Amino acid sequence: DQQVKQNSPSLSVQEGRISILNCDYTNSMFDYFLWYKKYPAEGPTFLISISSIKDKNEDGRFTVFLNKSAKHLSLHIVPSQPGDSAVYFCAASDPRNTPLVFGKGTRLSVIA
Amino acid sequence: GAVVSQHPSRVICKSGTSVKIECRSLDFQATTMFWYRQFPKQSLMLMATSNEGSKATYEQGVEKDKFLINHASLTLSTLTVTSAHPEDSSFYICSARQNMNTEAFFGQGTRLTVV
Repeated sequence: DQQVKQNSPSLSVQEGRISILNCDYTNSMFDYFLWYKKYPAEGPTFLISISSIKDKNEDGRFTVFLNKSAKHLSLHIVPSQPGDSAVYFCAASDPRNTPLVFGKGTRLSVIA
Repeated sequence: GAVVSQHPSRVICKSGTSVKIECRSLDFQATTMFWYRQFPKQSLMLMATSNEGSKATYEQGVEKDKFLINHASLTLSTLTVTSAHPEDSSFYICSARQNMNTEAFFGQGTRLTVV
């Protein structure tokens, strides 16, 4: 049973345009959501997070939107840059300090 | 941000030998650390939760006698792959969190190749 789903395994976007990565979850106990970026042969690096009490969090070019009723969140990157090309993982946690639950990732390719 | 250091970054070992991977939180105390494994083009698979001073909690399907975890201090957890086999070849990543509802910081990962 996959609690965090990233249904798009890959996404290609032209440089300068907006990248939108989507994530759905099923566990209504999740109250904290995170996005990580991962390059090959490296550990994931934290990008941005959002608490369930908010519906938007912005940090520079990165914005995360949360729709609790739809159990859906998305990461917007604008403008997209070639250096953004990586695998992006959505993750979620609940109040019990259990390990993060990760989606399968979406490979973003930003084309110059 | 906080730093988690993982060592070695790459190791090649012979089948049947054991390999130890270290994970250190450099600037914060981590009562809990997590060990993940990633197969090519797949997500991070949680192997075990490592608690300082107590036995690790293993996920279903992960052999605790094969993947020995020791969380000796608040800043160090180790994963030992015992009697390694080629199918153990993978990318192993540790992470640590300071508190609930904070981001987890990840080590750089260890590429293990068993020949």
